[in-house]
Order: sequence, then structure tokens, then C-alpha cells
Amino acid sequence: DAGVTQSPTHLIKTRGQQVTLRCSPKSGHDTVSWYQQALGQGPQFIFQYYEEEERQRGNFPDRFSGHQFPNYSSELNVNALLLGDSALYLCASSWDRGYNEQFFGPGTRLTVL
Amino acid sequence: KQEVTQIPAALSVPEGENLVLNCSFTDSAIYNLQWFRQDPGKGLTSLLLIQSSQREQTSGRLNASLDKSSGRSTLYIAASQPGDSATYLCVVEGGKLIFGQGTELSVKP
Repeated sequence: DAGVTQSPTHLIKTRGQQVTLRCSPKSGHDTVSWYQQALGQGPQFIFQYYEEEERQRGNFPDRFSGHQFPNYSSELNVNALLLGDSALYLCASSWDRGYNEQFFGPGTRLTVL
Repeated sequence: KQEVTQIPAALSVPEGENLVLNCSFTDSAIYNLQWFRQDPGKGLTSLLLIQSSQREQTSGRLNASLDKSSGRSTLYIAASQPGDSATYLCVVEGGKLIFGQGTELSVKP
């Protein structure tokens, strides 16, 4: 079992561009959550996907959107990138909407110039 | 609104010492509480998960306790080692994960 995988590992974009990050959950998991972690801060919840629907959302603007596919993998899209979007983006998977143990991927480091 | 606070923010101890990391949360309506470890620039590694009906969990040199009524959890690390140096995050699940800011632990040889 490969655990939770994320791609790419690192990404550099410029302001105004759009980015797509990808996550494959741990085998047997059906729920994917995304988090943003700025340098020196704890992760902040962006949203959670279960059964291909957004079930919960944190305090992030509509520029942040996502999708979950039938195989439970997920994408995070960020439009009109701002310098402040530079962060480590973490994906976590679990089963049954997160009532159980969360497993995190290694993250994608996004740098916006 | 759930808020999670971790004390201390940073801790430096000599190798071999036993230590306690503290976590407090404001809303006792949680499903579970999880402790994670994060190495610099890396993802999170789950250490212990305590369901809301449980009082403690143990794994090797780690022991985590949960007191929902007082909104507190502690992570006890026995016989600390330099390899334990990392940031430790307390996370509560009440529909979504709410993270504390973390305790940065440094264990000196």
C-alpha cells in the first residue's frame, strides 16, 4: 500500500496563474481533505470531499475549488494565484468522512512569484 | 468555533528526559483527537488517535490522554531521543480537522 500520494512535489507559478494539485488516497479510503500550511503555521482546512461531493469547507475564497473522482482521487484547483497562496498543500484521506484516523500525504510545495 | 491551543510553542530538552506536551480545545463536541508529528518541510505522520469515548492511547514510548470535559489532551514522551525532534501537532475532529499551532521539540544529544 503506497499510502497517500500527492503530485507534484514542488511547483512554481506566477501571480494570476492557475494551478492543479493531485491526491490519491490510501487504499480503502473514500474521503479526501485538503489543507493549506503556510510557513511556521499549523495546517488550515480548505475542504473535504466524500462521495464526489464537497461536504465541508473552511474559510477559503471561491478561487479554491476541487473535485473528487469515482476512484476517490482528488484535485485541488486554485485560480488567480496570489503571493499569499504560497504554502505547503497537504492532502489527507480517511474512510467514512473523517470520523476515523486521518493519513496525510507528503504535500505539494507551491511557490507563487 | 473550535480553537485548539498548544503549549509550549517550543521545547528543548536533553536526551533521555521524559516530557509532556499540552493541548487544549474550546468545544468538547469532538469525534476524536489525533497527535501528529511533522518534520521540517514534510507531511504529517500520525502518532496516536483517541476516539471521543476513550481516555488514553499508548504506542511505544508515547502516551496520549484525553479529557473531553476539561478540553485537554497531553502527549507524554518517555526517554526522549534526538530522533524525536520535530513539530508535534494536536488535531481535533468535530466534522473537520482543527489544528493547533504545534510544539516544536528539540532533543539535544
